[in-house]
Amino acid sequence: EVQLGQSGAEVKKPGESLKISCKASGYSFTNYWIGWVRQMPGKGLDWMGMIDPGDSDTRYSPSFQGQVTISADKSITTAYLHWSSLRASDTAMYYCVRRIAVAGTWAFDFWGQGTMVNVSS
Amino acid sequence: DIQMTQSPSSLSASIGDRVTITCRASQSISRYLNWYQQKPGKAPKLLMYAASTLQSGVPSRFSGSGSGTDFTLTISSLQPEDFATYYCQHTYSTLTWTFGQGTKVEIK
Repeated sequence: EVQLGQSGAEVKKPGESLKISCKASGYSFTNYWIGWVRQMPGKGLDWMGMIDPGDSDTRYSPSFQGQVTISADKSITTAYLHWSSLRASDTAMYYCVRRIAVAGTWAFDFWGQGTMVNVSS
Repeated sequence: DIQMTQSPSSLSASIGDRVTITCRASQSISRYLNWYQQKPGKAPKLLMYAASTLQSGVPSRFSGSGSGTDFTLTISSLQPEDFATYYCQHTYSTLTWTFGQGTKVEIK
């Protein structure tokens, strides 16, 4: 069974660093890109970026380029989302997703349960 | 960037009703359009990809259509478990897979 298990909720102060994780299981980790999606409180979904766990090739949405770093460790089938300096505006739920290629396009077929990040002074 | 606009933003419907949600892209995206369902407190779930192909396990009362800029998601007979927020998403260009703002389907 495919599963994406995310790390627990975080409460941080502005300026602090943070790395959240997404542990994949039930499939070949290096065969599928892993992405991250942000959902701010009461709002919609924002595509952040993705990584190929096989070679760590990474792509970012222009809106998030330079704001976060996506990485992966294939030895432990885990992807990460990292902030070097959090802002209050980073307060949101963050989902990791598995990207599949279907019918000549892509979709996110499995989602993690989400990690809530709360940034407040 | 390609903008995705859903309408309506919310709707109220009764069990058994036929419900249609529209998603419009700011430029042609061929059929590179996905639909997701999100229930309160849960992660989104893939319903449909390539505009009209149902993801495995999704009930056949869900259907999708469209190409180019205009797309629809239809629920033929609304069931209690269908009350949720629905999002469209384009995958036309690699780095800007924008979602629509969502359509909340509520009980009348």
